[in-house]
Amino acid sequence: QVQLVESGGGLVKPGGSLRLSCAASGFTFSDYYMSWIRQAPGKGLEWISYISTRVNTMDYADSVKGRFTISRDNAQNSLFLQMDSLRAGDTAVYFCARMPGSRSLDWLGYFDYWGQGILVTVSS
Amino acid sequence: IQLTQSPSSLSASVGDRVTLSCQASQDINNHLNWYQQKPGKPPKLLIYDASNLETGVASRFSGSGSGTDFTFTISSLQPEDIGTYYCQQYGNLPPTFGGGTKVQI
Repeated sequence: QVQLVESGGGLVKPGGSLRLSCAASGFTFSDYYMSWIRQAPGKGLEWISYISTRVNTMDYADSVKGRFTISRDNAQNSLFLQMDSLRAGDTAVYFCARMPGSRSLDWLGYFDYWGQGILVTVSS
Repeated sequence: IQLTQSPSSLSASVGDRVTLSCQASQDINNHLNWYQQKPGKPPKLLIYDASNLETGVASRFSGSGSGTDFTFTISSLQPEDIGTYYCQQYGNLPPTFGGGTKVQI
């Protein structure tokens, strides 16, 4: 079965860095675009980044552009999010999510599998 | 694109028909999805492309709409349906989510 497991979260001071990982299993990881989505405590969902299958395309939400970097290792079935210059407003649960596609579309527009999420707390 | 969900919360009885609304700030055709999130859990996809039921999802859930106005319906509310429901659009990237509707019994 499809599994996505995030790791690497924790408490970090403002201005600090953290690297999140998402280990994928149960599907051919290299065939799927992947995203990071976050949820601040008690708040709604915010998409923050996606990466294409062959790492040639990626995009970021304006709120994290220039500070966060998404990457993947298809040989290791892993997705990463390098987070630098962290701010209190980045405190959230971070989810990795799969973006299914088809023969004619890279992405069908929805997120069909999500990890359980990992908490990142930015505080002094 | 901004998605506005209403109401922000509701309370209904078991067996009730429940209707949630999601309004987009621009025409997104049918490029809208619905998710259910229970406390401490990740969102679960229920409806894609406005009206298509995801495989394995109970048939009491349904969606409709196109353009800017969308509706999500639970035909007969069950105790396990409590949670927060989010709409998400992909008609104009980046994808965005609505603020959610919390459903209580």
